[in-house]
Amino acid sequence: GENVEQHPSTLSVQEGDSAVIKCTYSDSASNYFPWYKQELGKRPQLIIDIRSNVGEKKDQRIAVTLNKTAKHFSLHITETQPEDSAVYFCAASIYGNKLVFGAGTILRVKS
Amino acid sequence: GAVVSQHPSWVICKSGTSVKIECRSLDFQATTMFWYRQFPKQSLMLMATSNEGSKATYEQGVEKDKFLINHASLTLSTLTVTSAHPEDSSFYICSARPEQREAFFGQGTRLTVV
Repeated sequence: GENVEQHPSTLSVQEGDSAVIKCTYSDSASNYFPWYKQELGKRPQLIIDIRSNVGEKKDQRIAVTLNKTAKHFSLHITETQPEDSAVYFCAASIYGNKLVFGAGTILRVKS
Repeated sequence: GAVVSQHPSWVICKSGTSVKIECRSLDFQATTMFWYRQFPKQSLMLMATSNEGSKATYEQGVEKDKFLINHASLTLSTLTVTSAHPEDSSFYICSARPEQREAFFGQGTRLTVV
């Protein structure tokens, strides 16, 4: 089955700096890669996703890149703000099927 | 946007009792729903896939007799934790996906077994 590894487990950045979180997946059949932000005690919220037919997607300060050959994808947050502090999870799936999550990254943005 | 509602949001029960958690898709029909469990400071781990009108598909290591799943309608799936024990204390969360849309999550249920 699918296995998703996520790094780093914690990431501290200064406000205004960029943050990058990386994930690798094992199943070449996976074609959908969402990223979620979860605040303590809350449900995960989708922040961006990408399908395997594109290599990059951007939404304001957030971007995701996908390298199908290497089976890895990354989340990029630019101009970080204190409200970006949360736990971020990557996931992989065959679109519409179950999501397999990475272990999560605790992002702390210091002001 | 699509809404998935989960109830209750938190529950405390005594060891040995059973607890039922409901997951509803409020504005779309969901033939499939997913149940996840999240322990503190850990990731979401899929427990089972709930299929409307048929048996749930459980992930390896998840006891189907302990975690009973019923998906009797296109908008409701229930997870019953039977004979709960303190080690079952966790955050249980469901998700469902409207056709051609991303997955949406319920607000989660914090279960504490005392």
